[in-house]
Amino acid sequence: QKEVEQDPGPLSVPEGAIVSLNCTYSNSAFQYFMWYRQYSRKGPELLMYTYSSGNKEDGRFTAQVDKSSKYISLFIRDSQPSDSATYLCAMTDNFNKFYFGSGTKLNVKP
Amino acid sequence: EAGVTQFPSHSVIEKGQTVTLRCDPISGHDNLYWYRRVMGKEIKFLLHFVKESKQDESGMPNNRFLAERTGGTYSTLKVQPAELEDSGVYFCASSQVPRTGELFFGEGSRLTVL
Repeated sequence: QKEVEQDPGPLSVPEGAIVSLNCTYSNSAFQYFMWYRQYSRKGPELLMYTYSSGNKEDGRFTAQVDKSSKYISLFIRDSQPSDSATYLCAMTDNFNKFYFGSGTKLNVKP
Repeated sequence: EAGVTQFPSHSVIEKGQTVTLRCDPISGHDNLYWYRRVMGKEIKFLLHFVKESKQDESGMPNNRFLAERTGGTYSTLKVQPAELEDSGVYFCASSQVPRTGELFFGEGSRLTVL
């Protein structure tokens, strides 16, 4: 069983839509959760970081963690064409080894 | 400030040959990670250096892979001899404070083994 499961998409939405991206995981020891964004031919960049369960909001982005269900989400409000990228969830229990999902490719159409 | 740089950006070699990938982390970042992405799969951990010491190398697939970080600055990842299944994109990332959750990634080195 994979440590982290993520739907690869692709996900295509019209500009202005609300986007929901999700990951599930199997290791209950994970405490720290991240979302990275990766543009084509570039390395991933950190978008959001949350600790344990709860919500965190940053502009148009909201990250949610439900540790009881081992489920994390990233919501993008008022999506823009510039949001088109691959979104990777990541998590760790000790900052030594980070576990990544396979990434969801998002396309926001103008 | 320069980001994480990786060289080469793309390497095409034949099975059985040797390839060495290099990573220059952001200056001052003690933590350096190597990850690999095989086509269509997740980015998988290979190993983690703190300065010149290997903190965790549990993700290294086998003894054909050798990572070094002499002097705690740049790092190299050597694959010898390369096999077909080694093809993929090798990412290097560095961090000053991993507890922020922020790893700074390079653009990756794409390895194609024919």
